[in-house]
Amino acid sequence: DGGITQSPKYLFRKEGQNVTLSCEQNLNHDAMYWYRQDPGQGLRLIYYSQIVNDFQKGDIAEGYSVSREKKESFPLTVTSAQKNPTAFYLCASSITWAKNHQNTGELFFGEGSRLTVL
Amino acid sequence: AQKVTQAQTEISVVEKEDVTLDCVYETRDTTYYLFWYKQPPSGELVFLIRRNSFDEQNEISGRYSWNFQKSTSSFNFTITASQVVDSAVYFCALSERSGANNLFFGTGTRLTVIP
Repeated sequence: DGGITQSPKYLFRKEGQNVTLSCEQNLNHDAMYWYRQDPGQGLRLIYYSQIVNDFQKGDIAEGYSVSREKKESFPLTVTSAQKNPTAFYLCASSITWAKNHQNTGELFFGEGSRLTVL
Repeated sequence: AQKVTQAQTEISVVEKEDVTLDCVYETRDTTYYLFWYKQPPSGELVFLIRRNSFDEQNEISGRYSWNFQKSTSSFNFTITASQVVDSAVYFCALSERSGANNLFFGTGTRLTVIP
């Protein structure tokens, strides 16, 4: 079945440690996104990528890093510089229009990864 | 600046009642897209509908209907004859044709349908 797979589903981290969240998609989508969800704040964009080897900062990129070496994969690293990393992280993908890399289509989401910093 | 407001944080209804979830948006773009997503307890967001700014026709899909009114910048979602399976968090979102390739989400409305 086509879809987006995020792992791990639950992750615990000690303060000062980096952690990497995996996101893989087999939908042949060009665009991939990482969102952070906090209670009462909806979803906020961390990073997005429209094509391989290219990515852009979203609204809350500080303390995070990403890579896009393959079309199918868009891992997110939560670094020790992220002051409040405990949250629910959602990965998404979508088709993009070739012209100007504009995207107006729906996003397909994974089931999320819940990160807790101890 | 773009903004999506969902003023209702939580709503509870008894099964078979109708319920309307409100969404008000702000944008300077003349071309934009509005979305509704459902987030069940499993966590993933499920796409429900997309509307572009040039199409104000209301839409009905089974028990779901959407009322898009540009004059009031609203895109409300109504569930008719609610069922327990409708219990979830519902998000309204906005995507602009220009600028960043991003969905701007509201803060969500948690709907609880009581059997």
